[in-house]
Amino acid sequence: DQQVKQNSPSLSVQEGRISILNCDYTNSMFDYFLWYKKYPAEGPTFLISISSIKDKNEDGRFTVFLNKSAKHLSLHIVPSQPGDSAVYFCAASDEDSSYKLIFGSGTRLLVRP
Amino acid sequence: EAGVAQSPRYKIIEKRQSVAFWCNPISGHATLYWYQQILGQGPKLLIQFQNNGVVDDSQLPKDRFSAERLKGVDSTLKIQPAKLEDSAVYLCASSRDSTSYEQYFGPGTRLTVT
Repeated sequence: DQQVKQNSPSLSVQEGRISILNCDYTNSMFDYFLWYKKYPAEGPTFLISISSIKDKNEDGRFTVFLNKSAKHLSLHIVPSQPGDSAVYFCAASDEDSSYKLIFGSGTRLLVRP
Repeated sequence: EAGVAQSPRYKIIEKRQSVAFWCNPISGHATLYWYQQILGQGPKLLIQFQNNGVVDDSQLPKDRFSAERLKGVDSTLKIQPAKLEDSAVYLCASSRDSTSYEQYFGPGTRLTVT
């Protein structure tokens, strides 16, 4: 039973345009959401997060939106750069489960020059 | 600040052999995690330590997998005997404490079982 789903395995965008990566979850107890970026042969690196008490969090070119009623979050990258090409994982957690992270299967983003 | 260190980076073994992975977390981080990432999937938690105690090992296949963190710092994960389906990247992560959502990952060990 996948509690966190990333239904798009890949996404290709032109440099300078917006990249939108989506994530859906099923567990209404999740209260914190994170995005990780992963380059080949490296471990995932933390990118941005959002608490369930917010609906938006912004950090430079990266913005995460949370829609709790739809159990959906998205990561927006504006403008996209070739260096953003990586696999992006959505993760969710809740305080009651010892803060462990449940990951989606990832979306591979390719930003074309 | 040094990141999470893992070794070896790559390992190839035959089925039924044993293998061990090592992890050294970020200095001062009390919580350590081991994840298994199968190709095309997201990381799946195997075990979580708080200092040298186990917080969650519900997803660890205990008939063949074992892990320890004896002095509350570095940790080892062992598989004995290995199966073909154990081929994956094994990621170690650490966080400041058990109430921190943000985890910091090492580069992983890619295991191939033939």
